Amino acid sequence: AQKITQTQPGMFVQEKEAVTLDCTYDTSDQSYGLFWYKQPSSGEMIFLIYQGSYDEQNATEGRYSLNFQKARKSANLVISASQLGDSAMYFCAMREIVNDYKLSFGAGTTVTVRA
Amino acid sequence: DGGITQSPKYLFRKEGQNVTLSCEQNLNHDAMYWYRQDPGQGLRLIYYSQIVNDFQKGDIAEGYSVSREKKESFPLTVTSAQKNPTAFYLCASAHRGNQPQHFGDGTRLSIL
Repeated sequence: AQKITQTQPGMFVQEKEAVTLDCTYDTSDQSYGLFWYKQPSSGEMIFLIYQGSYDEQNATEGRYSLNFQKARKSANLVISASQLGDSAMYFCAMREIVNDYKLSFGAGTTVTVRA
Repeated sequence: DGGITQSPKYLFRKEGQNVTLSCEQNLNHDAMYWYRQDPGQGLRLIYYSQIVNDFQKGDIAEGYSVSREKKESFPLTVTSAQKNPTAFYLCASAHRGNQPQHFGDGTRLSIL
């Protein structure tokens, strides 16, 4: 079964607007971590933000915030004030203790920021 | 600067040939990982190592081999048994636990 589901293959957003990228996950573990990575066209994977399953507050890192809804098993990424440099592929990933701390990745969402 | 270095950036393989992708890190991380990415797809785990001289198969280990003789190094060999090796290969490392994995810049492997 798919552990991480990203239902949006591609999205367009206007510069300076906010965009929400969806991510749902499947786990029976109580302790897990959720990560978002950005992959520009050059290929490197850039870590953006982390949310632990026991964290009560939603994680924020600059223009990135994570809308964590544990009961719904949802960990959406919100990018505020989009910039042209935000155009990239974005991956949601989950790490479970029961899975030997391995990361399971979603299929990714391509974001294109329009001027 | 601390980081993960993958080499080469581009690699070409002939039929029946084994090729080795290099991954070196100076972050003092215990765990290292190899992923394969096909166009427009997510990452799939090939092999990982939590400690020196020990490694485990990931989801798509067939046709690949690794070694972890030093903490800093985790080379991946794509053997001739891997019939569809054309892909983008990413190496990552992390401290143990819920710490983010840090990635190298990747190696693009193609068939001649």
